[in-house]
Amino acid sequence: DVKVTQSSRYLVKRTGEKVFLECVQDMDHENMFWYRQDPGLGLRLIYFSYDVKMKEKGDIPEGYSVSREKKERFSLILESASTNQTSMYLCASSYQGPRDYEQYFGPGTRLTVT
Amino acid sequence: GNSVTQMEGPVTLSEEAFLTINCTYTATGYPSLFWYVQYPGEGLQLLLKATKADDKGSNKGFEATYRKETTSFHLEKGSVQVSDSAVYFCALRGGAQKLVFGQGTRLTINP
Repeated sequence: DVKVTQSSRYLVKRTGEKVFLECVQDMDHENMFWYRQDPGLGLRLIYFSYDVKMKEKGDIPEGYSVSREKKERFSLILESASTNQTSMYLCASSYQGPRDYEQYFGPGTRLTVT
Repeated sequence: GNSVTQMEGPVTLSEEAFLTINCTYTATGYPSLFWYVQYPGEGLQLLLKATKADDKGSNKGFEATYRKETTSFHLEKGSVQVSDSAVYFCALRGGAQKLVFGQGTRLTINP
């Protein structure tokens, strides 16, 4: 079974803290994605990566950065957390290629910034 | 740009009722279309997909038909169960294998 794991299910941080969210996949997928999920807004893409050390901005990259030093691991970084970054964060991964490969999702990290 | 619009929720039905969740899209070209489901406390998982016009995706009793003329991909199930309670997301594949999601529809099935 494909597995995408996220480092924490729940996280509480203070405004201004640096926050790291980690994601690991075990299927040798080339693509990895970070989304945030908010009620009424669905999922919005923050960043995605199509190869080690490669990244591309999604629809809402402001206030976030990412790191992909190894193929299986994709980290989302909040340089200085703010209350409007309180949200559910979902990581996903998929194969790369012309076919419509399924994205596999982790269970999510619910981040609260106080 | 690409976008997906789903019917607003939440939707509450009784067991064995017929389900329709509407989804329409705006896109250039002919995108592939997907329905993902999120059960309580879990991440999303693919429910079904369709890659070209008039294709029908189906899984677990759910069906959706890719209608190019109405730019729609409505999700249907003939007889829902309590275990179908979840949040359902319609999505299309944009460029570079990125997905564009609708806002999600929360479905609750009462016994």
